[in-house]
Amino acid sequence: EAGVTQSPTHLIKTRGQQVTLRCSPISGHTSVYWYQQALGLGLQFLLWYDEGEERNRGNFPPRFSGRQFPNYSSELNVNALELEDSALYLCASSLEAGATSTDTQYFGPGTRLTVL
Amino acid sequence: KQEVTQIPAALSVPEGENLVLNCSFTDSAIYNLQWFRQDPGKGLTSLLLIQSSQREQTSGRLNASLDKSSGRSTLYIAASQPGDSATYLCAVETSGSRLTFGEGTQLTVNP
Repeated sequence: EAGVTQSPTHLIKTRGQQVTLRCSPISGHTSVYWYQQALGLGLQFLLWYDEGEERNRGNFPPRFSGRQFPNYSSELNVNALELEDSALYLCASSLEAGATSTDTQYFGPGTRLTVL
Repeated sequence: KQEVTQIPAALSVPEGENLVLNCSFTDSAIYNLQWFRQDPGKGLTSLLLIQSSQREQTSGRLNASLDKSSGRSTLYIAASQPGDSATYLCAVETSGSRLTFGEGTQLTVNP
């Protein structure tokens, strides 16, 4: 069974540009999560999508946005890139979410974004 | 606001040693606690998940405990091997399916 996949693996952009990162969850998983791992800041929760809806959002500005498609894949969009957006962006998926969930979040390999 | 702290930040041990990694969290209202492994530049691999009602979980040489009331968890690695070298991350799941991570413990097992 294929795991969570992300594309691209690496990306270099300049300040002010826009970027789109993509994630395909494990087959059968309906929840997709995005995390940012910036140097010195650790892993920070960005967004959670479930059944096509944004369910929760971390403490990030509105220029970070995304969506989930009917096939449960997801995109993360970052507008007006800033130098501090340079990070590893990790996507995760789970079978179900919420208080009764017994399923862990399975992580993809990440997209390394460098902003110059 | 939930905060997760991991001690130590780095650990270097000779092969074969048993070791303990520590994790503490400030808000005991968690749904579960997970331990992950991250190799350099890579994504996360889930090691163990402990539900809030459980006290411990075991997988092979790994054993994780959870004391929710005191806000603590430990990851015990028995008979460490060089292949165990990685960063170990502790994360707690709170409302909204949000995982809050610690900064991690960087483990090096020397042959």
